[in-house]
Parts: sequence; structure tokens; C-alpha cells
Amino acid sequence: QSALTQPPSASGSPGQSVTISCTGTSSDVGLYNYVSWYQQYPGEAPKLLIYAVSERPSGVPDRFSGSKSGNTASLTVSGLQAEDEADYYCNSYAGSNNFVFGSGTKVTVL
Amino acid sequence: QVQLVQSGPEVKKPRASVRVSCKASGYTFNAYYLHWVRQAPGQRLEWMGQINPNSGGTHYAQKFLGRVTMTSDTSVSTAYMELSSLISDDTAMYYCARLPSGRFFFDYWGQGTVVTVSS
Repeated sequence: QSALTQPPSASGSPGQSVTISCTGTSSDVGLYNYVSWYQQYPGEAPKLLIYAVSERPSGVPDRFSGSKSGNTASLTVSGLQAEDEADYYCNSYAGSNNFVFGSGTKVTVL
Repeated sequence: QVQLVQSGPEVKKPRASVRVSCKASGYTFNAYYLHWVRQAPGQRLEWMGQINPNSGGTHYAQKFLGRVTMTSDTSVSTAYMELSSLISDDTAMYYCARLPSGRFFFDYWGQGTVVTVSS
């Protein structure tokens, strides 16, 4: 199972928006509405940000939003803040009890 | 509160095996699948497989078939991941993560266990 494709980096100034793409195939992202997103700070475990494409767990700011079109899912961070500087990973269910992560995107707040 | 507490760092020689534990608390251990995810230094997250603590049933990523064994002990609410025939590329942080029943995301993660493979 190949990794989902994410851009290596993304950046924006405070207050701006940044969107990260996550491209899979018709066997994973395109087939299932089971895309989740995770935020990871250096030296820490990942933290769930978005599940089921666009749902936010309690406690996650509404600045974070998710969407999907065809084989590509997206995470948008609106009103960028310094604390949003982190690595972001998408994940998709791929059928038959398999899961696949994205290649990861480092977000820099300029 | 839900907690997944993993065992401490390990240093192993090539061709050896390593076992990492993940002790759960704050929820009904049998009711949630536990997954294992690893991350090599500076690299992406990589899904390794899952265990159903209730039945002991497992499913492994194809890449790790034949080398990984996931088990659980419900009496101590602990899951284990054993990786054998270690090579230097297995040097990574290993995480356990909980999957809510009937859902397809990981809501709680362990703190991670560093495994270093070096001669």
C-alpha cells in the first residue's frame, strides 16, 4: 500500500489560511469517507484533528476544517496561528482492515 | 481519562526481536481495537496493523507479514507488539493508538517507544 501523497511543506502568515492536500486512489480516499487528519509537534505523539473527512473532535478549534473531492482530501487551517506550526498527516481506510497514512506536510507560520 | 502508556526505549542488535507494550486505562480495554504505527526518524507515519483485544484477532500490513506479532492480555489491559529479524531500517518510534468501535480513526495515542537497531 503506497503512502497517500501530501505536499512536503506549506506556509502562511498569521491570520492567513493554508490548505493541505492528500491524494490517494479510488481504493482508499476516493472510495471511503474515512479520511482523518493528525497534527504532530516535534517529539510528540500525533493528535486527532479531523475524522470522517470533515468532523472535528471536541476541543479542536473550528479553524481546522476538512473536505474531500474524488481521490483528494484537504485540510484547511484558517486564521493561521503560531501554534499551528507542526507536521500534518492524513490517513485513510483502505479496505480489508487496512489503513494508510499520507507522506506528511510541514506547516510553517511565517 | 483515557491513557495509553508504553514501555521504555529499547536498543537491539540486528536480527534480534523487540517487544513493545501498551498499557491502557480509563476505558473498557476489550471494547476498542488497538493499532500500531511507527515513524522512522524524520519520516512519515506508517501503519503496521491492529489487534482486537476481545478476540485476539489481528490484521497486519502486508509489509510486516511474517515479522510482526500483536497480542494482548486482557487481565492487565495491555497490548504488545513484537517485531522480529530487526534491521537498521526498523529504528523508529513505535506508537500504539486506539480505534473507537465501528469508527475509522485513531482517537488516543501512546507516548511512543523508541526502538534503536544497531550493531
